[in-house]
Amino acid sequence: GAGVSQSPSNKVTEKGKDVELRCDPISGHTALYWYRQSLGQGLEFLIYFQGNSAPDKSGLPSDRFSAERTGGSVSTLTIQRTQQEDSAVYLCASRGLRTDTQYFGPGTRLTVL
Amino acid sequence: GDSVTQMEGPVTLSEEAFLTINCTYTATGYPSLFWYVQYPGEGLQLLLKATKADDKGSNKGFEATYRKETTSFHLEKGSVQVSDSAVYFCALSYMNYGGSQGNLIFGKGTKLSVKP
Repeated sequence: GAGVSQSPSNKVTEKGKDVELRCDPISGHTALYWYRQSLGQGLEFLIYFQGNSAPDKSGLPSDRFSAERTGGSVSTLTIQRTQQEDSAVYLCASRGLRTDTQYFGPGTRLTVL
Repeated sequence: GDSVTQMEGPVTLSEEAFLTINCTYTATGYPSLFWYVQYPGEGLQLLLKATKADDKGSNKGFEATYRKETTSFHLEKGSVQVSDSAVYFCALSYMNYGGSQGNLIFGKGTKLSVKP
């Protein structure tokens, strides 16, 4: 079946602009995660959604970052007033119920000029 | 807090050489342990995992054993191929089916290059 998909694959933006990154998880997966991969910080957890429960936002680096998940499926990560330090690859992963294996999408490479 | 430490790279080996990538962890509980691999230009893929002490995960000729006494999960392969060239990430997570979030905590990654 289809894996996790993300769009766009690349995004170049100017400092101060807002960006939206999209994730389509594997159908039926109730858990969805966002991670950030950057040269300086490695792979960092950002936010977690499980079904209709309130998300765990403990990994978000600042209040410029937010995410939502509509209908328990597609998720959007929004970064407001982008800064150069936001440049990174943003990865989405999904997980089925009663398993600990996460499946990752190809990522969105964000470059803030 | 919980953390994962893996050996710095890059690691360069000749084809058919033996591979070890060291990984140690610090954990407050009893996590599951994972190795993920990222091939050039591709996304992260699960390579193998182990969910409890003394479990051995294996896949594609790679192996790692969950060692609670040494808090380690070293990745090994007896004979590497050029196609194994990639970045390898060690990670841990907690899975409590009652509601734990299960987010992965990653090491910094080790880049492996295998020369023919």
